[in-house]
Amino acid sequence: ETGVTQSPTHLIKTRGQQVTLRCSSQSGHNTVSWYQQALGQGPQFIFQYYREEENGRGNFPPRFSGLQFPNYSSELNVNALELDDSALYLCASSLKGLAGQETQYFGPGTRLLVL
Amino acid sequence: AQTVTQSQPEMSVQEAETVTLSCTYDTSENNYYLFWYKQPPSRQMILVIRQEAYKQQNATENRFSVNFQKAAKSFSLKISDSQLGDTAMYFCAFMTPGANSKLTFGKGITLSVRP
Repeated sequence: ETGVTQSPTHLIKTRGQQVTLRCSSQSGHNTVSWYQQALGQGPQFIFQYYREEENGRGNFPPRFSGLQFPNYSSELNVNALELDDSALYLCASSLKGLAGQETQYFGPGTRLLVL
Repeated sequence: AQTVTQSQPEMSVQEAETVTLSCTYDTSENNYYLFWYKQPPSRQMILVIRQEAYKQQNATENRFSVNFQKAAKSFSLKISDSQLGDTAMYFCAFMTPGANSKLTFGKGITLSVRP
């Protein structure tokens, strides 16, 4: 167990809807990263949050947005869902600011299906 | 941009035998980390081992060890005394620490351990 939790575990939405996924980071960690993993592929970086600010973003459109809260938990929001958004969404927490401590630990993921 | 290549899509090994999973990467950075993550069918991504590029000594964690060849940009994972619980997808990943410490993953390799 990594101490990183995600909710919900599964979600079914229809095209055009909006979804919010949640992540609680490991105790003592201050950074949360979000990844999208299509079936049979490696995870793709969506964005990272550090001290409640976006700290880097991958090649994802603006309808993917996020938040980080003072307790370092985080949300991923996706607007105007498309069929291709169907994937496993992983969050990972880490500790930025201490050399050698930026290893990312993953939560169990949220499986999103868009119909 | 960094890239990570895992050219073997699948491998199979007999229980108690040794198997090596290959990974190459491309980067112009000098300070970086390399990781192997394991993702069983239960889907939670689990850290297997980490290697800092500035360390010449290869990392070892129990039955897992790496062969890190910095000049060749190669980072292979050796699993000794394979166990049925090692059956999973294995991902090689790259990260530069600091401002944008995202993980760049390879496509993964499916490892099956036969009884």
